[in-house]
Amino acid sequence: NAGVMQNPRHLVRRRGQEARLRCSPMKGHSHVYWYRQLPEEGLKFMVYLQKENIIDESGMPKERFSAEFPKEGPSILRIQQVVRGDSAAYFCASSPAVSNEQFFGPGTRLTVL
Amino acid sequence: LAKTTQPISMDSYEGQEVNITCSHNNIATNDYITWYQQFPSQGPRFIIQGYKTKVTNEVASLFIPADRKSSTLSLPRVSLSDTAVYYCLVGRTGTASKLTFGTGTRLQVTL
Repeated sequence: NAGVMQNPRHLVRRRGQEARLRCSPMKGHSHVYWYRQLPEEGLKFMVYLQKENIIDESGMPKERFSAEFPKEGPSILRIQQVVRGDSAAYFCASSPAVSNEQFFGPGTRLTVL
Repeated sequence: LAKTTQPISMDSYEGQEVNITCSHNNIATNDYITWYQQFPSQGPRFIIQGYKTKVTNEVASLFIPADRKSSTLSLPRVSLSDTAVYYCLVGRTGTASKLTFGTGTRLQVTL
């Protein structure tokens, strides 16, 4: 059973471009969570989704950030018009039910030039 | 959400037992205590979770006193590969979803 998959692992964008981060949860998991980690800091919750629904987006910046988890395909975290402050590691996690035991992917490291 | 306090860093020699204590004075009745491990450039990995007394699995033990205002993660006979950041989290499980990570404890194991 493959773990949580994220791609790309590394993403470089120039200011003003769009970044799309993909997450495929573990097989059988219908709950997906996105977190952001700045250097030397802990992870910060961004959004929690179930298939086709955003359940909790209290950690998402109000502008430029969006997330989806379609019926078919991976979950997508989209950042429009990236700025240097968006540079961070973005982690996706999944779980089979709402749980404190979440399975994390390897992360996508976004660098904004 | 209950706030947690952990030491910023700890050092240990290989083969020793390591105990990392976390304070959570405002823990709520329905809150569980969960520990994660994170290696550099990797996502966190669930280690153990408990509500009260003692929980043990193949990786670690978790000790929780009766008042639940603190907890101690115990790693028996650490090896170099246990060098990582360890996070203590407190929150309800089965309902609200988001995990709240602090800055964690950076454990450095040397020979």
